[in-house]
Amino acid sequence: NAGVTQTPKFQVLKTGQSMTLQCAQDMNHEYMSWYRQDPGMGLRLIHYSVGAGITDQGEVPNGYNVSRSTTEDFPLRLLSAAPSQTSVYFCASSYFSGGTPEQYFGPGTRLTVT
Amino acid sequence: AQTVTQSQPEMSVQEAETVTLSCTYDTSESDYYLFWYKQPPSRQMILVIRQEAYKQQNATENRFSVNFQKAAKSFSLKISDSQLGDAAMYFCAYKKGAQKLVFGQGTRLTINP
Repeated sequence: NAGVTQTPKFQVLKTGQSMTLQCAQDMNHEYMSWYRQDPGMGLRLIHYSVGAGITDQGEVPNGYNVSRSTTEDFPLRLLSAAPSQTSVYFCASSYFSGGTPEQYFGPGTRLTVT
Repeated sequence: AQTVTQSQPEMSVQEAETVTLSCTYDTSESDYYLFWYKQPPSRQMILVIRQEAYKQQNATENRFSVNFQKAAKSFSLKISDSQLGDAAMYFCAYKKGAQKLVFGQGTRLTINP
């Protein structure tokens, strides 16, 4: 049981480049989400999904896209990277209904946009 | 909208002593969950303790316990017998049912040997 996995762990992009951050979980959780963590601002929700084929925006969705084609995977796409997207990104998963309510987090991806 | 406030950006404690981290939240709901997460320098978010709002009894996990005051909307974390490995950022978080997790801004805890 690997829990929540994220790749890559580190990434450097140039302004305007695009990339996809990968997230997978093997706990059969319906709910998956992406957060960004900036100094002094805690974790802010970017996008979330309550099941395959269902996604919705969180607090800071601009500049990011998501899709959920399977229960296990929830990739986050940066369409045209900007320096303001320099941050640490976390993927998390949990049960949507029933089960324990806490979210399980991946190890994070540190992204730098120059 | 629900908000979570941690009023102590930084705290420090001597090894083996007890420290309390504060958290207040704002909600009009009666049934919800509260969490404390620990984030060590490795960046991994680790669940420390969970409290269900409908339970009057304060949650405990070994050296970690909470003081849950529902009417005051307060949820503090007490760490007893502090150890060097407890040094980390601590985040308080709120969750209503299947809705999103709302985080406070965090408290950086330093343990002095």
